[in-house]
Amino acid sequence: QKEVEQNSGPLSVPEGAIASLNCTYSDRGSQSFFWYRQYSGKSPELIMSIYSNGDKEDGRFTAQLNKASQYVSLLIRDSQPSDSATYLCAVPYPRNTGFQKLVFGTGTRLLVSP
Amino acid sequence: SAVISQKPSRDICQRGTSLTIQCQVDSQVTMMFWYRQQPGQSLTLIATANQGSEATYESGFVIDKFPISRPNLTFSTLTVSNMSPEDSSIYLCSVEGGRGTGDITMNTEAFFGQGTRLTVV
Repeated sequence: QKEVEQNSGPLSVPEGAIASLNCTYSDRGSQSFFWYRQYSGKSPELIMSIYSNGDKEDGRFTAQLNKASQYVSLLIRDSQPSDSATYLCAVPYPRNTGFQKLVFGTGTRLLVSP
Repeated sequence: SAVISQKPSRDICQRGTSLTIQCQVDSQVTMMFWYRQQPGQSLTLIATANQGSEATYESGFVIDKFPISRPNLTFSTLTVSNMSPEDSSIYLCSVEGGRGTGDITMNTEAFFGQGTRLTVV
């Protein structure tokens, strides 16, 4: 099982709809979870972080975390064509150095059509 | 969040040559990270650059191929040595932010430079 798994998509939604992006992770001890947005040819940009079970809302974005199911999702309400990008889920994993590293999923490509 | 400047933004290189990528941060950070993003793939951590000590490399990456320097708390370089077309990727510098301790805690977020798009011909 991969450490962080995402459906590569593309996920196509019409403008104004809700886009739902999903991510599963393998380490039950993971405590923090991040969603990054990456436009084509650009570097990843952090859009949401979540640490506790439940929902966290920030504008049109809602992150949902279920640690029991090892599942984190990102909802984008009122999707806009400008939301078309690849969304990367990232989870810190321990290394034998004692520090953690961010492990990224393969990303889900979102296409929002006008 | 930190402001990270990375250069060059892109380069086309001949196989067998080396390219050094620079990363400058506008604040002092304990650790800097180098990632590779191959075409159509996600980000893979190459190594962690620690000031005052050897870089820590991830499985599959070696110092001879990707030597790293970290002369101070705001600057790092990654060299891609003896390049082949398989090294064509985006290389990204990253720092952790938000928690103040400089260590990688569970809750730190990563911020990225604009990346270096490398094409090896």
